[in-house]
Amino acid sequence: LAKTTQPISMDSYEGQEVNITCSHNNIATNDYITWYQQFPSQGPRFIIQGYKTKVTNEVASLFIPADRKSSTLSLPRVSLSDTAVYYCLVGYSSYKLIFGSGTRLLVRP
Amino acid sequence: GAVVSQHPSRVICKSGTSVKIECRSLDFQATTMFWYRQFPKKSLMLMATSNEGSKATYEQGVEKDKFLINHASLTLSTLTVTSAHPEDSSFYICSAAISGRMPDTQYFGPGTRLTVL
Repeated sequence: LAKTTQPISMDSYEGQEVNITCSHNNIATNDYITWYQQFPSQGPRFIIQGYKTKVTNEVASLFIPADRKSSTLSLPRVSLSDTAVYYCLVGYSSYKLIFGSGTRLLVRP
Repeated sequence: GAVVSQHPSRVICKSGTSVKIECRSLDFQATTMFWYRQFPKKSLMLMATSNEGSKATYEQGVEKDKFLINHASLTLSTLTVTSAHPEDSSFYICSAAISGRMPDTQYFGPGTRLTVL
């Protein structure tokens, strides 16, 4: 299983762009990269998923370099409600996902 | 789309009783479902992988006789905590992967808060 490494915490201010980088040096060829957001006492919420290059949806962008050994989740213009824990996971084909410690993002007014 | 529900959302029980938690995929079929446990301020810990129609695969250190998992259909998996004790108090979360779609992203339920008195 590919292990992921993320910063434990990050601080930001409302309206700023936040970039959270995840390292996954031993990612396998078939692995996808998925990011989840979790609020206290709630299940993780799917944010974005990608395999290579760049993926964008209505809430975030995911940048994946050619070697795929890392990825960056970009949250444009964060608000107070984006304060949460963000998890980066790597896996494939209904195989089990192992959660790391995640990144606690605090958005300040 | 891709909604997963859990029932109940919270349960309080006495020590020694059994508690059943249901996990349902509401708008898709899920060949595989997963059960996690999360303690306060900690990350999710995978307990077991459940495949429809077969026995669950438990992670190391998880007692299969204590945490009974049944995946009877493509939309329902249940976790039964047998003879619950206060140390079993935790936040239990299930996830389901959409069958037949690549990549088969896992979608999570809202979680069940179990408190054992």
